[in-house]
Amino acid sequence: DIQMTQSPSSVSASVGDRVTITCRASQHVSAWLAWYQQKPGKAPNLLIYAASSLHTGVPSRFSGSGSGTEFTLTIDSLQPEDFATYYCQQANSFPFSFGPGTKVDIK
Amino acid sequence: EVLLEQSGGEVKKPGESLRISCKGSGFIFSNYWIAWVRQMPGKGLEWMGIMFPGDSETTYSPSFQGQVTMSADKSISTAYLQWSSLQASDTAIYYCARHRGTAATPRWGFDTWGQGTLLTVSS
Repeated sequence: DIQMTQSPSSVSASVGDRVTITCRASQHVSAWLAWYQQKPGKAPNLLIYAASSLHTGVPSRFSGSGSGTEFTLTIDSLQPEDFATYYCQQANSFPFSFGPGTKVDIK
Repeated sequence: EVLLEQSGGEVKKPGESLRISCKGSGFIFSNYWIAWVRQMPGKGLEWMGIMFPGDSETTYSPSFQGQVTMSADKSISTAYLQWSSLQASDTAIYYCARHRGTAATPRWGFDTWGQGTLLTVSS
């Protein structure tokens, strides 16, 4: 099975900051990686699929990159509504798996 | 509008059985992979497994194989997650989620999520 790790586990940032989250897979997953945002008490929301494709309706300040085993999610100019937990998920092979999450909170 | 509507929260005792549901609307249910995801209190997301209602193809995460059963009734656009004997460690929120597209292999992420079903198992 493919194990996913994320770093950092948490980050404190200010509105307007650029935030970068890294996700690593224990095996090659090609570009089959998705990113989700989850706010407390809510279901996750898809942000990025296939490593770098922005899901419909997601603001352009979110971007994804990477392939193989290392991926990044970047949030340019952090907005108040972006304070949340972010998860990566590999979709290369069953069983799919999520990373442990990165919490972005207010500095 | 594409929606997944999950059944309401449950409080059960250890050893009891349970089936929760996830009803789709606004799309052709049988054409989309449906996944189940667990979130234990204060913890991250865990991928439990996935099924394709069109032909009932199902894959479980090894962590959940034999612990739960996924099924679907495509005639009423509803997926189910079932336990035969609950344990306190099953206490969690359970989400169903729809794959983003109708591809044969679900590689594009999950774009529609149910609101979650909170399951509490306590004696």
